[in-house]
Amino acid sequence: DTGVSQNPRHKITKRGQNVTFRCDPISEHNRLYWYRQTLGQGPEFLTYFQNEAQLEKSRLLSDRFSAERPKGSFSTLEIQRTEQGDSAMYLCASSLISAGYEQYFGPGTRLTVT
Amino acid sequence: GEDVEQSLFLSVREGDSSVINCTYTDSSSTYLYWYKQEPGAGLQLLTYIFSNMDMKQDQRLTVLLNKKDKHLSLRIADTQTGDSAIYFCAEWGSGGYNKLIFGAGTRLAVHP
Repeated sequence: DTGVSQNPRHKITKRGQNVTFRCDPISEHNRLYWYRQTLGQGPEFLTYFQNEAQLEKSRLLSDRFSAERPKGSFSTLEIQRTEQGDSAMYLCASSLISAGYEQYFGPGTRLTVT
Repeated sequence: GEDVEQSLFLSVREGDSSVINCTYTDSSSTYLYWYKQEPGAGLQLLTYIFSNMDMKQDQRLTVLLNKKDKHLSLRIADTQTGDSAIYFCAEWGSGGYNKLIFGAGTRLAVHP
């Protein structure tokens, strides 16, 4: 399968715990995006990387959130001291630099904070 | 400002055409999209249209763009039960940013 993959698919955690999600983009794609989708809403942009550089961050990305893409391939999104309001689907997408308008999404990681 | 709005629900009979509508506010949007999301799944890119076009057809899908009214529609011909899903309208390129801005989605229910 050459699509975007995300792990884990589901994560249940207790409030206050830290969680980390991983995204593997389509292999030749050098841009990688994170979005968050809450129930009944469309996805909202969090941040994106071009190769290993994080170029844009949304105001939604509080200090408890950190994203990395150390070698310009896979990316991780960590949430520290999770809160119930962090419960959502976290979606990753990737694109080519030359076609940033054509973003392909992974299946998402559903986070439930109890 | 950036805003994308869609009606929340549409119900059609199998075999009929479905038309899902969307309005957006930012005239600087470069591309406009339709994504499909099935329960528990990620988003599937269905089709997109460049802002200087007014129509795009791809098999059963027809996208119409009225740039003057900032209105986008997706027509699905011969709707099947497998088309039941949530359809998201999105825009890209407004304000020069590389992010997609989504509407809240239209739930399409196809009944026999």
